[in-house]
Amino acid sequence: AQSVTQPDIHITVSEGASLELRCNYSYGATPYLFWYVQSPGQGLQLLLKYFSGDTLVQGIKGFEAEFKRSQSSFNLRKPSVHWSDAAEYFCARKDLGTYKYIFGTGTRLKVLA
Amino acid sequence: EAQVTQNPRYLITVTGKKLTVTCSQNMNHEYMSWYRQDPGLGLRQIYYSMNVEVTDKGDVPEGYKVSRKEKRNFPLILESPSPNQTSLYFCASSPRQGYGYTFGSGTRLTVV
Repeated sequence: AQSVTQPDIHITVSEGASLELRCNYSYGATPYLFWYVQSPGQGLQLLLKYFSGDTLVQGIKGFEAEFKRSQSSFNLRKPSVHWSDAAEYFCARKDLGTYKYIFGTGTRLKVLA
Repeated sequence: EAQVTQNPRYLITVTGKKLTVTCSQNMNHEYMSWYRQDPGLGLRQIYYSMNVEVTDKGDVPEGYKVSRKEKRNFPLILESPSPNQTSLYFCASSPRQGYGYTFGSGTRLTVV
């Protein structure tokens, strides 16, 4: 079955440092891929999405993600993290021809002042 | 303001007492979905709807019902809630395939 894996449950970075959150998806044709952010007590907010075209996708809040077909990865990056980026981040996929979205289990980001 | 509105935000109920969580979107989105979020499990899809009167099961539909009589509304019904349905529930909508979701703020349900 198709799946999404986020290998890191927790990540801690210092404010101003760069960030990379990992996401791998299982076999199948290239799916739609998404990154969402969930701040404490809030719903999820879409950061960016990819389906085709340029493999480097720009999103909101200064985030970007790079699709790498050879590695089945869609990692999220930010050059300089702000304290307000502390949240939980979810990678998700949706396959063509289906209406099912599959979410990863999330990565909780902690930012040190 | 474009949004997905869920009610209530918090609910404590007893086992077996039927309840409904409402969801409404004002963006004329065709696609709506319900998820539950549990620690360590991420979000799991309960039911989804592709349009009015068209619904289908997600990955964890047992114990839940939905209906889509109008485009804007997609209520989640628990006919006989049980403690294992204690969770954080999210409603979400999307204009069409491949677009990302707009999520509601969530409903924290506790079944005792």
